[in-house]
Amino acid sequence: EAEVAQSPRYKITEKSQAVAFWCDPISGHATLYWYRQILGQGPELLVQFQDESVVDDSQLPKDRFSAERLKGVDSTLKIQPAELGDSAMYLCASSLARRETQYFGPGTRLLVL
Amino acid sequence: ELKVEQNPLFLSMQEGKNYTIYCNYSTTSDRLYWYRQDPGKSLESLFVLLSNGAVKQEGRLMASLDTKARLSTLHITAAVHDLSATYFCAVDKNGNKLVFGAGTILRVKS
Repeated sequence: EAEVAQSPRYKITEKSQAVAFWCDPISGHATLYWYRQILGQGPELLVQFQDESVVDDSQLPKDRFSAERLKGVDSTLKIQPAELGDSAMYLCASSLARRETQYFGPGTRLLVL
Repeated sequence: ELKVEQNPLFLSMQEGKNYTIYCNYSTTSDRLYWYRQDPGKSLESLFVLLSNGAVKQEGRLMASLDTKARLSTLHITAAVHDLSATYFCAVDKNGNKLVFGAGTILRVKS
């Protein structure tokens, strides 16, 4: 069964450092999402791509976060510089199209020291 | 702004018992999802409810949607330990994104 792949699974970094997360969606899925999940809360959407275009990044802290999906397939989420409050699980999801069921990857757990 | 509230936030139940998790949302939507998350793991899609009165069932779980009341329920029948997890409802906001509830932590005790 096709799955969303993410790497790394765990990342420990010091504040002010740069970190990057990678996501490979299910083949053929046009829509890709990055979520942040703080412990004990539900996921919150950071950015949504339709193919290579951003359709929603209203909750993305653009002063330090960036995301790209250059060829409309895999995607990278970057944080620079990382802050203590960025410690969370970062989840990538994909769907065949907008409004279709989203399938989530295993996530990257980030700890900022 | 769309707000999604789940209750209870924590549920401890005995095996074999029945219980219901509630999901209320604040603005009109015609699509609602239920997801399951095991500790340290990602989210697994359980149900998508697409219209008023929709009911879906899978094993011991049954989900329903009342769009007029802006309410969805996830009913657990004869709980077993394997159902222990965190359950999230997520509401489709204007066809653009999902807004998740805070989650209900379910612990089934034998």
